[in-house]
Amino acid sequence: SQTIHQWPATLVQPVGSPLSLECTVEGTSNPNLYWYRQAAGRGLQLLFYSVGIGQISSEVPQNLSASRPQDRQFILSSKKLLLSDSGFYLCAWSTRPSGANVLTFGAGSRLTVL
Amino acid sequence: GQNIDQPTEMTATEGAIVQINCTYQTSGFNGLFWYQQHAGEAPTFLSYNVLDGLEEKGRFSSFLSRSKGYSYLLLKELQMKDSASYLCAALDSNYQLIWGAGTKLIIKP
Repeated sequence: SQTIHQWPATLVQPVGSPLSLECTVEGTSNPNLYWYRQAAGRGLQLLFYSVGIGQISSEVPQNLSASRPQDRQFILSSKKLLLSDSGFYLCAWSTRPSGANVLTFGAGSRLTVL
Repeated sequence: GQNIDQPTEMTATEGAIVQINCTYQTSGFNGLFWYQQHAGEAPTFLSYNVLDGLEEKGRFSSFLSRSKGYSYLLLKELQMKDSASYLCAALDSNYQLIWGAGTKLIIKP
């Protein structure tokens, strides 16, 4: 069966520090991978999605970046965190081809920037 | 612009029935999803509707009216564990998901 792992679960970081959130998927090949951010009282915001190794599409301009070094690994990074980067970050995967596919989410990473 | 509207919060009694409404305005439409999200946890898939009508899945049912841009999630025989946020999301013509802010459902004994 397919599983998705995301870590760390909780992170408290000072402003200006770097960030690395990691996500891996098991039990499937060539998944579509997504990074979402969820702010309180707002809908899920798509940050990045990837349809293959090294293929990253950015939905929102910001100081975050994403990389997909392996088929089932997706990393969200920042060189210098801002206060506004605080939130609940969710990795998700879906099967190919794109379309009306169900998203399966990781457990989430709660980031607090102080 | 694209928009999803759903109530911020609802309260219901254990054992009762509750209907959570969602209206959407999107550029094209390729279906509507409902997800359940318990506090501090990830969303989990509940239903997907692309054709008009009611789809029943155990205690949960989801309804879609494409002409009205309207969906609802119906929860029957409410249990305490149904306390959660319910997220509505519409798929636009580019197969991008547009998410609502979620409806927090509080179940009282």
